[in-house]
Amino acid sequence: DTVMTQSPDSLAVSLGERATISCRSSQNVLYHSNNKNYLAWYQQKPGQPPRLLIHWASTRVSGVPDRFSGSGSGTDFTLTISSLQPEDVAVYYCQQYYRTPYTFGQGTKLEIK
Amino acid sequence: EVQLVQSGAELKRPGESLKISCQGSGYNFTTYWLVWVRQMPGKGLEWMGIVYPGDSDARYSPFFQGQVTISVDRSINTAYLQWSSLRASDTAMYYCARLGGLASDASDIWGQGTMVIVSS
Repeated sequence: DTVMTQSPDSLAVSLGERATISCRSSQNVLYHSNNKNYLAWYQQKPGQPPRLLIHWASTRVSGVPDRFSGSGSGTDFTLTISSLQPEDVAVYYCQQYYRTPYTFGQGTKLEIK
Repeated sequence: EVQLVQSGAELKRPGESLKISCQGSGYNFTTYWLVWVRQMPGKGLEWMGIVYPGDSDARYSPFFQGQVTISVDRSINTAYLQWSSLRASDTAMYYCARLGGLASDASDIWGQGTMVIVSS
């Protein structure tokens, strides 16, 4: 299985400041024939199912605020929240969908400092 | 509205069997893979397996292979996750989700989750 490792496990950021979460894959998730990274980011708030934020590593889903951005390629990826808002408190997961099983990272808990 | 609606919470004894469901609506159910994801209390997301409603093709994570069965009934737009003999360690929230809605295999639509508690 492809192992996804996120860092840090938890993060406290002040309102209005930048939050950065990293995700590393044990295997490449860039498919060279279409130059796409098979990597998604999800947000999960307490008591709710996960919500897809970003797929193809950097494509925001409709309705997701533009303060959320994804970057990276191959095995190293980043989710950035440019200006943290109170409603962004959640656990964030990366997931590779290059090869089954489509494994998730362990999650990063984001809190307000 | 595109949605997945899951069956209600379950409280079972160890050794009992269980089948939970996930019904899709608002889209062509047979043309998108569905995934089952486990979330144990206070823990992260675990990808269990997928099923293609169009032909009932089911594929499992090696970790869950042989532990659960994933199936589908196309006539009622419903996917299932079942156990033949539950263990306490199966206590978790189980989510179904759709793959491929955005022309990628990310999960764009999620059910609300089914809480399964296994306790003697």
